[in-house]
Amino acid sequence: DQQVKQNSPSLSVQEGRISILNCDYTNSMFDYFLWYKKYPAEGPTFLISISSIKDKNEDGRFTVFLNKSAKHLSLHIVPSQPGDSAVYFCAAFRPTSGTYKYIFGTGTRLKVLA
Amino acid sequence: DTGVSQDPRHKITKRGQNVTFRCDPISEHNRLYWYRQTLGQGPEFLTYFQNEAQLEKSRLLSDRFSAERPKGSFSTLEIQRTEQGDSAMYLCASSEETQYFGPGTRLLVL
Repeated sequence: DQQVKQNSPSLSVQEGRISILNCDYTNSMFDYFLWYKKYPAEGPTFLISISSIKDKNEDGRFTVFLNKSAKHLSLHIVPSQPGDSAVYFCAAFRPTSGTYKYIFGTGTRLKVLA
Repeated sequence: DTGVSQDPRHKITKRGQNVTFRCDPISEHNRLYWYRQTLGQGPEFLTYFQNEAQLEKSRLLSDRFSAERPKGSFSTLEIQRTEQGDSAMYLCASSEETQYFGPGTRLLVL
């Protein structure tokens, strides 16, 4: 039962253009969402998060959008840089339920072409 | 460096052997988590501690797996009688709110 899905295993984008990574979830009880970036042989690095009471959160080049009715979130990276090439994971959890475990998607490999 | 650290970074073992991994969290974080990641998958939750109390365990954590956090600081994850299917990246994270991950321990069971 994959509660968090990233249906695009890979994405290639030209340097300077926008990268859009998508994530869908099935559990409407999730109330907090996060994006992590992972380089090979390293642990995931936190990028940005959003609470279910918001529909947008921005941090520099990174913006996360949440569409609760569609159970969909996306990460926009503008402008994309070669150093952004990595695997991106979305994660969801329900802090209000007393559990702190994150449920991760399967990841999308982003390649930014110079 | 005040991030999460894990030791060892790599471990190769033969099937049937026991292995133990260590995680040192960010010092002010009272929550500590273990995840496992295999190729093509996202991290999968294994277990979670608040201080020294183990509050949640995944059904992925079979009886061959045991985790401890004896003084509420560092944690160990032991796998007994390793199997080839245990080969994975074992990730530790700590948090006050957002979880911050260590570099992981890559286990290969031959």
